[in-house]
Amino acid sequence: AQRVTQPEKLLSVFKGAPVELKCNYSYSGSPELFWYVQYSRQRLQLLLRHISRESIKGFTADLNKGETSFHLKKPFAQEEDSAMYYCALRPFRGAQKLVFGQGTRLTINP
Amino acid sequence: DTGVSQDPRHKITKRGQNVTFRCDPISEHNRLYWYRQTLGQGPEFLTYFQNEAQLEKSRLLSDRFSAERPKGSFSTLEIQRTEQGDSAMYLCASSFPGTSGSYEQYFGPGTRLTVT
Repeated sequence: AQRVTQPEKLLSVFKGAPVELKCNYSYSGSPELFWYVQYSRQRLQLLLRHISRESIKGFTADLNKGETSFHLKKPFAQEEDSAMYYCALRPFRGAQKLVFGQGTRLTINP
Repeated sequence: DTGVSQDPRHKITKRGQNVTFRCDPISEHNRLYWYRQTLGQGPEFLTYFQNEAQLEKSRLLSDRFSAERPKGSFSTLEIQRTEQGDSAMYLCASSFPGTSGSYEQYFGPGTRLTVT
């Protein structure tokens, strides 16, 4: 079965400090990995996906197949980064369902 | 707002009653998804439609749950004989292939159900 684990429910860092939100997954195949973000009073939205290898709002994430991880990183946190972050897995490219982790609430302190 | 819309946004019902939620996807999106999110958890997949065909259902979707997308546009999710365990946020999402064939899912604001 597919599973996504985000070990930290809460993460608090100071503005300007580096941020790393951890995500580990279990799946034997070649999944697609995503990070979704939900800002206060807004809907869930895609932040980035591993196949795009892009940087969005200063965030990057690298898929490590050996460690089955997809950690989200940003070198210098900003107050507007405060939000709920969900790591998600799609079992394979043609699959439809997303499997989400429990989420990490990130708070950036001024 | 041209995004995914859901109605109602909040629903309070008594145990044993039936409830129905509606989702209107983004107009050109042919795929539609339902997820359920309980407190402190991430969304859990319930079912998905391609046009009007329901192609996948989760084991979470018990016999009391039924979803339809009769004309391949809006969708309804009905819960019969609600139980307190049904209290959750019900999320709808829609997608289309896009230039990369990625089927990025766009989420609605959700319907929060409280069963008393």
